[in-house]
Amino acid sequence: AQSVTQPDIHITVSEGASLELRCNYSYGATPYLFWYVQSPGQGLQLLLKYFSGDTLVQGIKGFEAEFKRSQSSFNLRKPSVHWSDAAEYFCAVSNDYKLSFGAGTTVTVRA
Amino acid sequence: NAGVTQTPKFQVLKTGQSMTLQCAQDMNHEYMSWYRQDPGMGLRLIHYSVGAGITDQGEVPNGYNVSRSTTEDFPLRLLSAAPSQTSVYFCASWAPGQGIYEQYFGPGTRLTVT
Repeated sequence: AQSVTQPDIHITVSEGASLELRCNYSYGATPYLFWYVQSPGQGLQLLLKYFSGDTLVQGIKGFEAEFKRSQSSFNLRKPSVHWSDAAEYFCAVSNDYKLSFGAGTTVTVRA
Repeated sequence: NAGVTQTPKFQVLKTGQSMTLQCAQDMNHEYMSWYRQDPGMGLRLIHYSVGAGITDQGEVPNGYNVSRSTTEDFPLRLLSAAPSQTSVYFCASWAPGQGIYEQYFGPGTRLTVT
């Protein structure tokens, strides 16, 4: 069965500092991996996705993620955080019909 | 394109009442799904559909029914609401047959059962 673990429930980061959110997955085959962001009271927006090919993928809003098969990880990074990046971030793994989500990481940005 | 739309945005029910959450998409996606979001648990799959007339259960199907009579619509029915069904509900659509593996989400319905 597929599953996703996001070890950090809450991260606080200063504006302008770098951010890394961790994601580990369990899946028997080559995974389809995603990062979604949810601002308070809003729906989910896709930040980036990995299906195959280059293991470093670029997304929207200056985010990138690196797929590491040996570590079963798909960590999300941003070099310089803006106050508008305060949100909840979800990592997800997909098979054909089901998207399995991690529990999410809440990011707080301090001035 | 409106994408994925959901109605209503908010709903309050009393225990034992029934209601239908509406979901529609205009992207001609063959797959649709319903999730519920609870604090600290991410999103969990309730039911999904791989095409008109075809539905199946997800992780947490109890207390919910679905049907898919058209490609565009995928309503979720609560037959007898319980406080445990207080949650935020999201509908999504995607199209693996068209090479679209990411799911597009609606804005959500916040349901409170008292």
